[in-house]
This record gives sequence, structure tokens and C-alpha cells, in this order.
Amino acid sequence: DTEVTQTPKHLVMGMTNKKSLKCEQHMGHRAMYWYKQKAKKPPELMFVYSYEKLSINESVPSRFSPECPNSSLLNLHLHALQPEDSALYLCASSQESLAGVPGEQYFGPGTRLTVT
Amino acid sequence: AQSVSQHNHHVILSEAASLELGCNYSYGGTVNLFWYVQYPGQHLQLLLKYFSGDPLVKGIKGFEAEFIKSKFSFNLRKPSVQWSDTAEYFCAVNARYGGSQGNLIFGKGTKLSVKP
Repeated sequence: DTEVTQTPKHLVMGMTNKKSLKCEQHMGHRAMYWYKQKAKKPPELMFVYSYEKLSINESVPSRFSPECPNSSLLNLHLHALQPEDSALYLCASSQESLAGVPGEQYFGPGTRLTVT
Repeated sequence: AQSVSQHNHHVILSEAASLELGCNYSYGGTVNLFWYVQYPGQHLQLLLKYFSGDPLVKGIKGFEAEFIKSKFSFNLRKPSVQWSDTAEYFCAVNARYGGSQGNLIFGKGTKLSVKP
């Protein structure tokens, strides 16, 4: 199984709502990632979890809060978002070797988020 | 800091034409190199990767890429494109060692349109 799944596929939320995006993989990968992709742009890294610990936070506003409950799951909690946060949110996972050399990243289909 | 340049923003080809998409990166250390493809409305898929060894790598769907270390390049090629190759193509790089492990840096992408 080389699949990364994400739910929901689409999400519309108001600026005062609280919602969560979910990501799951069963490939035994120990690194998981959140990216944000605006239309016609490359993905931008938001967060990296390595062995369930947050290892990289690319200066993301606190209205985005990641959580890694276990090695297969990754959540992104959303609160008080702005319309400019509307984008495709991608989850990815990769193997991490003992030497810390990352393998290729497998991407999920993304959640299309619209903030009204 | 690492950066990735894709020189062609939009490439338009007729079916059966040959394709070469340029990718250059700036990083002095050892890198892993990737090409990802994003078909319209679909998620990012790995086309091919280079970690070490033979600098000419073959990927899925008849694509190949050549790593030229002296030129910091990893150009994507296909001898004969098909209409179904219409997609956005992203070159990506990550450092094999150091503080940015796992941090994939994407190029801005090249949109390929193949006319039937």
C-alpha cells in the first residue's frame, strides 16, 4: 500500500470556525509533512514530523496547529483562518533511515480548503 | 540556502514531439533529486528520483532524467510525448545531510500542454 489518504477532500469554513484536516499512511513511514499549495504554484512546506516529533515549522501562523497522534496519523487543526489561507493542503510521508537520509515523499490527494 | 530553478514556465508541444524540461539547483552538498508530476485535478506523483549511482535515471511513463553534477542540473526528457502527458511538472531537491533533511525544495513548475 503506497497510499496517503486525506480527509476531507473539500472543506469550506468561516473565519470563526474550528476544523481539522486528517492524513493517514500505512507504509511505515516515520516522517510526515504538511504542505500548502496555491493555484499554479509549487507546494510550500509548512511542518515536518519525524518519529512523531515536530522537527520543522516553517514560520507558519499559530492559527495552523499540527498534531501527530501516532506514526500513521497526522492532523492539521485550523482556527480563525483568513480568506488568504484558502489553498490545497497536501500531506506527504517518507521513510527516514537511521542515518537521517530521507527517502522520496509520497503525497496525498490534498484537501481543498476555502475560507469565507 | 537551496533553490531550484525551472526555466520554462509553459511548454506547448504537439504529440510525438520530444520533450526536455530544464531544472537547475543551487546547493553545494550532496542532494537527492526528484521530478514530480501533477495531472489536472490530481495529486502529486513521483515520476523519478536520483539518489546516487547511474546519473541517467528512468522513471514511469517513459520519462528519464540525467543528473549532471558539474552543471547542477537534472533535466527531464521524454522522446515522444502524448496528449495524456499534459500536466504540471515540478523538479524538487533535498539535502542528504544537514539541518534541512527532508525539506523538499520545489521549483516553480513547468506546465506542459500537448496538442493532439
